[in-house]
Amino acid sequence: DAGITQSPRHKVTETGTPVTLRCHQTENHRYMYWYRQDPGHGLRLIHYSYGVKDTDKGEVSDGYSVSRSKTEDFLLTLESATSSQTSVYFCAISSPSGNTIYFGEGSWLTVV
Amino acid sequence: AQSVTQLDSQVPVFEEAPVELRCNYSSSVSVYLFWYVQYPNQGLQLLLKYLSGSTLVKGINGFEAEFNKSQTSFHLRKPSVHISDTAEYFCAVRNYGGSQGNLIFGKGTKLSVKP
Repeated sequence: DAGITQSPRHKVTETGTPVTLRCHQTENHRYMYWYRQDPGHGLRLIHYSYGVKDTDKGEVSDGYSVSRSKTEDFLLTLESATSSQTSVYFCAISSPSGNTIYFGEGSWLTVV
Repeated sequence: AQSVTQLDSQVPVFEEAPVELRCNYSSSVSVYLFWYVQYPNQGLQLLLKYLSGSTLVKGINGFEAEFNKSQTSFHLRKPSVHISDTAEYFCAVRNYGGSQGNLIFGKGTKLSVKP
C-alpha cells in the first residue's frame, strides 16, 4: 500500500465553519491530488499539486483552497463549509512515472 | 475534452458466473486507461492499467481488460466471480503525455455477486 494518511477520517461540522483536511505521504512523490466522491458522480478532481507551493485547479475547485508547504503534506481547506460539500474526500499521489495514481482511505465530511 | 462512460450503474450476477463491466471513453488523443475497485468504506485500489503494447491487460484478483481503440472501449472481465468481488468499479482515463492531474473517472459500476 502506498503510504498515504488522511486526517481526520470522519468529521461533522456546521455550515459556515472552516474545515481543513490533511493528507500526508511517506513516498516523497511530487504529485498529490484531492478528489471528492459523490453518488452518481464518481470521483472528481478538486485541486492538485505538482510540487511544493505549486498547485492547480481541478474540475470542482470552487469553495476549496489548498496548500503545500512540504513535499509530504497537502492540505485541503473549506473556508466556509456548505451542505453541498458533504462528501467523501480522497487524497491521492502519483507514481514517479505518473502512470499510476494511489489513493488514501478517504475522509468522510458531513456539513450540517 | 475527455470523458468516460460506464454503461451500467449496477450489475447483479451469481457467484461463479462470468461478468463484463463496460467502459467507453472519448478523447482526441492517445490515452492511458485504468480500472480501480472500491470496497465499502475504503479507498480505491488499482486493478489494472493499459499504457501501451498488448491490448489484453491482466490485473489482480483474476480480472482482465481489453483495449479496443476502434471502439474506444476498455471493458473489464472476469470468467468466474466470487462473493468477495462485490464492490464498486471505476474506469478512468488520462491523456498520453498530459498533465498528471488529468485523470478522468467514470461514474462507477456496482457489482453485486449473489450466492
